[in-house]
Amino acid sequence: AQSVAQPEDQVNVAEGNPLTVKCTYSVSGNPYLFWYVQYPNRGLQFLLKYITGDNLVKGSYGFEAEFNKSQTSFHLKKPSALVSDSALYFCAVSVAVGDYKLSFGAGTTVTVRA
Amino acid sequence: DTEVTQTPKHLVMGMTNKKSLKCEQHMGHRAMYWYKQKAKKPPELMFVYSYEKLSINESVPSRFSPECPNSSLLNLHLHALQPEDSALYLCASSAGHRSYEQYFGPGTRLTVT
Repeated sequence: AQSVAQPEDQVNVAEGNPLTVKCTYSVSGNPYLFWYVQYPNRGLQFLLKYITGDNLVKGSYGFEAEFNKSQTSFHLKKPSALVSDSALYFCAVSVAVGDYKLSFGAGTTVTVRA
Repeated sequence: DTEVTQTPKHLVMGMTNKKSLKCEQHMGHRAMYWYKQKAKKPPELMFVYSYEKLSINESVPSRFSPECPNSSLLNLHLHALQPEDSALYLCASSAGHRSYEQYFGPGTRLTVT
């Protein structure tokens, strides 16, 4: 069965500092990995995905993520965090063979202080 | 245009009422989804429609009834709900499955009294 773990419930950083949100996955088969962000009282917004190819994926709003197959990780990063990056972040995985299901992590709340 | 719209934004209903949630996308996506989300939790998949046919029902109680009238529209009919059904209901669509990202609507905040 596929699953995703986000080991940190909360991440707090100062504005201008690097931001990292951690994600590890467990699948049998090649994973398709996604990051979504949710602002209060809003739906989820797609940030980026890894399908195949370059392990460093660049996405929206200056975010990037690094796929590490040996560590089964897909950490989300931003070099310089903004107060407006404060939100709930979800990592998700779908297997390369199968249906339309995404397995979401529990979510990580990011707070960026001014 | 990567927008998924949902109406209404908020809905309060009694346990004996019948109501419907509506979702629309004009991206030509052939997969559409309903999710239920509780506060600070990840979305829980309820239903998936692929090419206007129901392909996944995650053992959702029959008081929730999905409908896909055409490739752009998705409805969720609600009847005899329970207070524990109060949640944010999210609609999403994608161009396909597996490798395709899902685009989410803003959700309908449902309160069952």
